[in-house]
Amino acid sequence: DARVTQTPRHKVTEMGQEVTMRCQPILGHNTVFWYRQTMMQGLELLAYFRNRAPLDDSGMPKDRFSAEMPDATLATLKIQPSEPRDSAVYFCASGMGQSNEKLFFGSGTQLSVL
Amino acid sequence: DQQVKQNSPSLSVQEGRISILNCDYTNSMFDYFLWYKKYPAEGPTFLISISSIKDKNEDGRFTVFLNKSAKHLSLHIVPSQPGDSAVYFCAAIGGYNKLIFGAGTRLAVHP
Repeated sequence: DARVTQTPRHKVTEMGQEVTMRCQPILGHNTVFWYRQTMMQGLELLAYFRNRAPLDDSGMPKDRFSAEMPDATLATLKIQPSEPRDSAVYFCASGMGQSNEKLFFGSGTQLSVL
Repeated sequence: DQQVKQNSPSLSVQEGRISILNCDYTNSMFDYFLWYKKYPAEGPTFLISISSIKDKNEDGRFTVFLNKSAKHLSLHIVPSQPGDSAVYFCAAIGGYNKLIFGAGTRLAVHP
């Protein structure tokens, strides 16, 4: 049963600490998206990769957030330094890069920054 | 500026009745729309989609209607079941094939 795997499921950290979230896309998928779920904004797009290359990270605060794909099986989202306003659920999704396709989401990382 | 809007944060419906979830969008270039369903502590899962060349798409108890002139779509669930209780997200496909989501509507189906 192919699925997107995200780790950790939960992360509690203190303000100023570095946070790294990981995502393993479905094997064979070549697009990876990072979304953040907040009460007010719903699902906000943070970054988007195709064939490991970043295509759009306009939704991501550049001063503290960074997203990478070191290889086809791993995507990372890093926050340094973290702030309380970063507390949210972060979702990774992957797809096959086809037009008008649906995406498959992981279960998310619940981040709490104290 | 949200390009996809779900103005009702919550909806409560009695089991067996129809649930209607609404979504508006601002970008007339959007030509493909999807609905996702999300249970607590899980990621969103795809429910149903519609292309702008259609005005209706049906899949079992779920039907999505699209009104392009009004830039409005709706999801109908008939009959509603307690297991349908979840958050429903409307999404449109924008540039680079990325999904742009609304804020979601929490549906509660009660017996």
